[in-house]
Amino acid sequence: NAGVTQTPKFQVLKTGQSMTLQCAQDMNHEYMSWYRQDPGMGLRLIHYSVGAGITDQGEVPNGYNVSRSTTEDFPLRLLSAAPSQTSVYFCASSHRADTGELFFGEGSRLTVL
Amino acid sequence: GENVEQHPSTLSVQEGDSAVIKCTYSDSASNYFPWYKQELGKRPQLIIDIRSNVGEKKDQRIAVTLNKTAKHFSLHITETQPEDSAVYFCAGLDYKLSFGAGTTVTVRA
Repeated sequence: NAGVTQTPKFQVLKTGQSMTLQCAQDMNHEYMSWYRQDPGMGLRLIHYSVGAGITDQGEVPNGYNVSRSTTEDFPLRLLSAAPSQTSVYFCASSHRADTGELFFGEGSRLTVL
Repeated sequence: GENVEQHPSTLSVQEGDSAVIKCTYSDSASNYFPWYKQELGKRPQLIIDIRSNVGEKKDQRIAVTLNKTAKHFSLHITETQPEDSAVYFCAGLDYKLSFGAGTTVTVRA
């Protein structure tokens, strides 16, 4: 099992550019989520999904889109990158939303100039 | 939704001493409280968790206590070692997991 795989690990964007962070898990988890991590602010939930075809907003959804067409994949799209989106992004999954351990990907460090 | 506050933000302890991190939560419906450890440059990983029907749980040098009436829970690390140096996050679950801001623990040799 690869667990949760995120790509790319590093990315530099210019303001206004768009990009997609990829996330895939091979554990047949129903629940998938995206967090951003900023110094002193912990892990803030961007979007989450409780199953294929179902997505919902977290604490800080503005400027991001997600989709969940399959159980395995949960890409995060930045529509028009802004410097405030400079952060480390983590994808995480668990068997179900209301139980058990969240498994995190290795993280993607994004810099927006 | 849930709001989790975590204190202190930084904690420095002498090797062999104990470390205690405290968290409070707002939503009385929350029923699951995990703790994650994140080493420098790595991903967060679960170290211990507790459910609302239990008051205390222990795993070797790590323990978590939960006071549902006061809506707070704590992580206790005994006999700290250099490898305990990391950022620790508490979290609370109502319908989604909300994290505290993190505590940077430094164990001095």
